[in-house]
Amino acid sequence: EVQLLESGGALVEPGGSLRLSCVASGFVFSNYAMSWVRQVPGKGLKWVSAISGSSTNTYYADSVKGRFTISRDNLKKTLYLEMNTLRAEDAAVYYCARDAPRMSSYGQFDYWGQGTLVAVSS
Amino acid sequence: DVELTQSPVSLPVTLGLPASISCRSNQSLVHREGNTYLSWFQQRPGQSPGRLIHEVSTRDSGVPGRFSGSGSGTDFTLRISRVEADDVAIYYCMQATHWPPTFGQGTKVEIK
Repeated sequence: EVQLLESGGALVEPGGSLRLSCVASGFVFSNYAMSWVRQVPGKGLKWVSAISGSSTNTYYADSVKGRFTISRDNLKKTLYLEMNTLRAEDAAVYYCARDAPRMSSYGQFDYWGQGTLVAVSS
Repeated sequence: DVELTQSPVSLPVTLGLPASISCRSNQSLVHREGNTYLSWFQQRPGQSPGRLIHEVSTRDSGVPGRFSGSGSGTDFTLRISRVEADDVAIYYCMQATHWPPTFGQGTKVEIK
């Protein structure tokens, strides 16, 4: 059974930093790209970042480019999102989602974690 | 970015009757390779989203047959043939034909 378990969400002050983690199980982690998608509570979904299975390629939404860094450790089957210079508008539930298998188009999102809440406030 | 507009925003439905949600794109979602990367997601109250349908009409494993997707180009539809209480949720369409992937604003399905 595919499982994704996020952690690391917290209350942080504007300008602060946070690292989110997502531990995967139930599939060959290195064979899949992974993405982060966020959702302001009560609002819609927004794709944030993606990384290829081998970490060769990384992609970011314009709103987080230069501030967030996606990475992964395939031995630990863990996806990360390093978030710096946090702004009030970054406050959201952050979901990790399984993305494309090799040689497939991104934007699959066939499995999602339960999410981790990031609050940004002084 | 590609804009997806869903209608209606709120959909009160009667149990056992059909329901239909529209998703319109401001650009064609036909990829240069010929596929159309339009998916539908269901988010029940207090839960994370789950994919129901991908590439317009392919149901994911375990998704009940009462859910179906159709459409082409810029106009797409999610249909529920007979609504059950378990279908109360917000439904989102999403396109991955054009980068970055984008979602519709959501349609809230509730029981009358």
